[in-house]
Amino acid sequence: EIVLTQSPGTLSLSPGESATLSCRASQSVSSSFLAWYQQTPGQAPRLLIYAASSRATGVPDRFSGSGSGTDFTLTISRLEPEDFAVYYCQQYGSSLFTFGPGTKVDIK
Amino acid sequence: QVQLVQSGAQVKKPGASVKVSCKASGYTFSSFGINWVRQAPGQGLEWMGWILAYNGNTNYAQKFQGRVTMTTDTSTSTAYMELTSLRSDDTAVYYCARFLSGFGDYWGQGTPVTVSS
Repeated sequence: EIVLTQSPGTLSLSPGESATLSCRASQSVSSSFLAWYQQTPGQAPRLLIYAASSRATGVPDRFSGSGSGTDFTLTISRLEPEDFAVYYCQQYGSSLFTFGPGTKVDIK
Repeated sequence: QVQLVQSGAQVKKPGASVKVSCKASGYTFSSFGINWVRQAPGQGLEWMGWILAYNGNTNYAQKFQGRVTMTTDTSTSTAYMELTSLRSDDTAVYYCARFLSGFGDYWGQGTPVTVSS
């Protein structure tokens, strides 16, 4: 089973700053099957990025994904107040899904 | 528009079973799978398994094998997840999510399940 590790655990930033979130896999992940989600308190997760770098419908272009193999990155440029949330990466391989533990982006 | 509407909150005693429903609309139900994911209070997301709506094939996370059953009713576009032998650490919000090609693009609102004596 592929294990995903996310860093940092918490990122404290101010609105307008940029955020770089890391997701590392214990073994190589197909880029086609790496996704990122955003979750705000009390809400269901929202798909942001799929296939490592494709934005989901309606996702602002300040969100971008990159990476391959075992190292993937979610970048949020110019943080807006609504972007302060928890972000999860997720992979799908060998018919199994796994999620990373999440990175919390909070207001500094 | 695509919507997944889940059944309401439930409270169960240890050892009991819970069945959560997820009614889909706005798309061809049999063309996609349904994932089930849970989130314990203050914790991250935990994948439980998936079911393919068109043929009922399932794949469960090893942790839940023997305790979880996922089914679909294509006549009502509804997916179900039943978890048996409940324990206190099964207290969580349970989500369904439509999936195709390895990710969940639409999610239900979540169903809180509390296990308490």
